[in-house]
This record gives sequence, structure tokens and C-alpha cells, in this order.
Amino acid sequence: NAGVTQTPKFQVLKTGQSMTLQCAQDMNHEYMSWYRQDPGMGLRLIHYSVGAGITDQGEVPNGYNVSRSTTEDFPLRLLSAAPSQTSVYFCASRGGPLYEQYFGPGTRLTVT
Amino acid sequence: AQTVTQSQPEMSVQEAETVTLSCTYDTSENNYYLFWYKQPPSRQMILVIRQEAYKQQNATENRFSVNFQKAAKSFSLKISDSQLGDTAMYFCAFLDNAGGTSYGKLTFGQGTILTVHP
Repeated sequence: NAGVTQTPKFQVLKTGQSMTLQCAQDMNHEYMSWYRQDPGMGLRLIHYSVGAGITDQGEVPNGYNVSRSTTEDFPLRLLSAAPSQTSVYFCASRGGPLYEQYFGPGTRLTVT
Repeated sequence: AQTVTQSQPEMSVQEAETVTLSCTYDTSENNYYLFWYKQPPSRQMILVIRQEAYKQQNATENRFSVNFQKAAKSFSLKISDSQLGDTAMYFCAFLDNAGGTSYGKLTFGQGTILTVHP
């Protein structure tokens, strides 16, 4: 049982490049989400999904795209990277009677 | 929308002493969940403790306990017998009930950096 996995752990992009952050969970959770963490701002919700084929925007969705074709996977796409997207990104899944949210190890992204 | 406020950007405590981290939130809901997460330098988010709003009894987990004041919308974390390994960023988080499903949005405070000194 690996929990929530994210790849890569670190990434450097140039402005205008695109990339996909991968996220997978093996707990059969319906709810998955992406956050970004910036100093002094806590974790802010980018996009979330309540099941395969269903996604919705969070607090800071601009510049990001998601899809959910399977229960297990929830990739986050940066369409055209900007320096303002330099951040640490966390994927999370949630399920069970205690509504506990499980986080991946995070990706540190730098856009130059 | 719910908001979560942690008014202490940084705290420090001596090893073996007790420290309390503050958290307030704003909501019009009656049923919700509150959490404290720990983020050590490894960056991993670790659940410390959770509290259901419908429970009057304060949650405890070993050296960690909360003081949940629903009317005041306050949810502080007390760490007893502080250890060096408690050094981390601590986040308070609010989960709305979303009609009794697990689909609610988890809203985080800004975080408090706790340093435990030997």
C-alpha cells in the first residue's frame, strides 16, 4: 500500500514550457485534490475531483488543467509555466469514515 | 467561504515544556471537522489530530490535545512535553461537512513555525 505518490520531486522549467505533475493513489479514494504551498499562505486548493470524470476548480485554478480518467490517477498540467507558479505542489486523496486526507510527498517546482 | 487564521507565524519552546498554538476559523456551518497537520523539514504533511464539531469532548492523541471552543470558533493545539522532533510547521485546517459526504473542501491556515530548543 503506497498511499499517495507524486512525481517528480523536483522540477525546473523555463517560462512558457508545459509539463504534467503526476499523482496516483492506491486507496480507492473518490476525492482527490491538488494544492500549492507558498510562504505565509498555507496550502491553497487548485483543482479537485470527486470521482473519475468529475473535476472542479478550487481557489487558484488559473494556469492549471486537470483530468480524472481513472480513480487512481489525477495529473496536474501546467499549460504555459510562469514564474508565479514557482511553488511546492501537493496532491492529496481523501476517503474513509474519518474523512482523513492523505498527502503525497510534494513537488518543488521552479519556473525561471 | 470558510477562513482559517493562525495568528502566530513563529513560536519557540524549550524541550520538555508545553506550548499552545492558536487557530480561529469563520463559518456559518454547524457540522464540520477540524484538523492539525504537522509539516517537518522533510515537507511531508502528517495528520496530528482531528476534531468533529458535533463532539463536545476535546480530542487527544498522546502528547497532543486540542481546546475546541465552538461558540468562539477557536481550535488551539497544545503540545505537552515538547520534543526536538516536534520542530515543524503546523497547519490548522477546516473541512466543511458537504452534506455528510467526504467531498468538502479542506481550508488551511497560514501555518505556525514551531522550534523546540534543547
